[in-house]
Amino acid sequence: AQRVTQPEKLLSVFKGAPVELKCNYSYSGSPELFWYVQYSRQRLQLLLRHISRESIKGFTADLNKGETSFHLKKPFAQEEDSAMYYCALSGRGTSYDKVIFGPGTSLSVIP
Amino acid sequence: DTGVSQDPRHKITKRGQNVTFRCDPISEHNRLYWYRQTLGQGPEFLTYFQNEAQLEKSRLLSDRFSAERPKGSFSTLEIQRTEQGDSAMYLCASSWGTGPTDTQYFGPGTRLTVL
Repeated sequence: AQRVTQPEKLLSVFKGAPVELKCNYSYSGSPELFWYVQYSRQRLQLLLRHISRESIKGFTADLNKGETSFHLKKPFAQEEDSAMYYCALSGRGTSYDKVIFGPGTSLSVIP
Repeated sequence: DTGVSQDPRHKITKRGQNVTFRCDPISEHNRLYWYRQTLGQGPEFLTYFQNEAQLEKSRLLSDRFSAERPKGSFSTLEIQRTEQGDSAMYLCASSWGTGPTDTQYFGPGTRLTVL
């Protein structure tokens, strides 16, 4: 079954410290992975996707197919990074043409 | 364009009543998705449309739930005979393209409370 797990419900780091939000997935085909973010009182929005191999707001994520992981990293956390982060997975196919979200990790950056 | 809009933003109803939510996607977007989100969970896929065709429905969507997108523009999600377990945030998203990897733009959601 296709599934996304995020082991940490809450993560607190100090401003300037590195941050890593963990994401693991199970998918039988070739997945496409995303990170979505929801800031306080704002809508859910796409942060980055693995196929773009881009850095957004200093965040990067590498797809590790061997470990079935897609962890989100930032070397120096900022207060404005405090938000809810969701890892998500999708794949093309006749029976699976939708996005599956993980339960989310709430990141709190302490000033 | 102000993005995806949803109406109402909040709905309180009594068990057994019917409710209908509306989603207006970004105007040129051909795909429209409905999700449900409960406390402490990520959004769960319910159904999606490509233009006016409903292409997939989740097993989460019981017979009490129905969705339409009559002209390929706005969509409605109706819940009949609401139950307390239907209390959740209902999210709508839209995208332009042919698959789920296209960027989805989310609306603000409709929070449903069933008493």
